[in-house]
Amino acid sequence: QKEVEQNSGPLSVPEGAIASLNCTYSDRGSQSFFWYRQYSGKSPELIMSIYSNGDKEDGRFTAQLNKASQYVSLLIRDSQPSDSATYLCAVTMNSGYALNFGKGTSLLVTP
Amino acid sequence: DVKVTQSSRYLVKRTGEKVFLECVQDMDHENMFWYRQDPGLGLRLIYFSYDVKMKEKGDIPEGYSVSREKKERFSLILESASTNQTSMYLCASRSGTASYEQYFGPGTRLTVT
Repeated sequence: QKEVEQNSGPLSVPEGAIASLNCTYSDRGSQSFFWYRQYSGKSPELIMSIYSNGDKEDGRFTAQLNKASQYVSLLIRDSQPSDSATYLCAVTMNSGYALNFGKGTSLLVTP
Repeated sequence: DVKVTQSSRYLVKRTGEKVFLECVQDMDHENMFWYRQDPGLGLRLIYFSYDVKMKEKGDIPEGYSVSREKKERFSLILESASTNQTSMYLCASRSGTASYEQYFGPGTRLTVT
C-alpha cells in the first residue's frame, strides 16, 4: 500500500504567522501533488497543485515539492483565523486516475 | 467553475435497505470517483470510472457497486446497507486529459441504523 503521511496536529499558529504543513509519500512514481483544505463538516476544496520540483506560489499559499526526498509542503503566509481547517495532502496513484490522500493536518490559527 | 452535486446532504437508512447515492458534474469530465471519509481513516477510494460504462475498484469496494450510464452522472449503490457503512460519502470528478485535479461534491452524510 502506497502511503501518504502527514502529522495530524493540531498545528497552532498565531494570526499573521507562517503556517508550515508537511507531507511525505512512499511511491517514487507519483507525478502529481495536491493540497486540499477541508472545513469541519464540509468537503475538501482544492487549493494548490504542483507537478515539478521547486516552489509554486498562489497568493498567500506556497507549495514546495522535492521528489528526491519524496516530500511536499504547504506554506501559508499571514495566517488568518479563517485558515483554521484540516489540510489534506494528495498524491496520484500508479494508475494515474485516483488520488491517495494523507489523513490530514489540523491547523488552528489563533487571534 | 467546476460544479459537482450530490443528491442528498444527509440520509438515514435502515440495515438491509438498498441505497442509491447520486453524483452529477457539469464540466464534461471523463473521470469520476467515489470516496468515503471516516475519522482516523481519512479518505478511501471505493470505485472510480474513467469513462461511460467503465469502472474500476478502489481500495474498499466490498458491499458497494456503481453505475455510470451517462458521462455526467455516477451512482454509488449500497446493495444491502449495514451499520459499518455509516460514513461521509464524497464524489469527485476530473478531466481525463486537461489536468489531474479532482473536484469534490458537497458530500452525503449517510447514517445506517
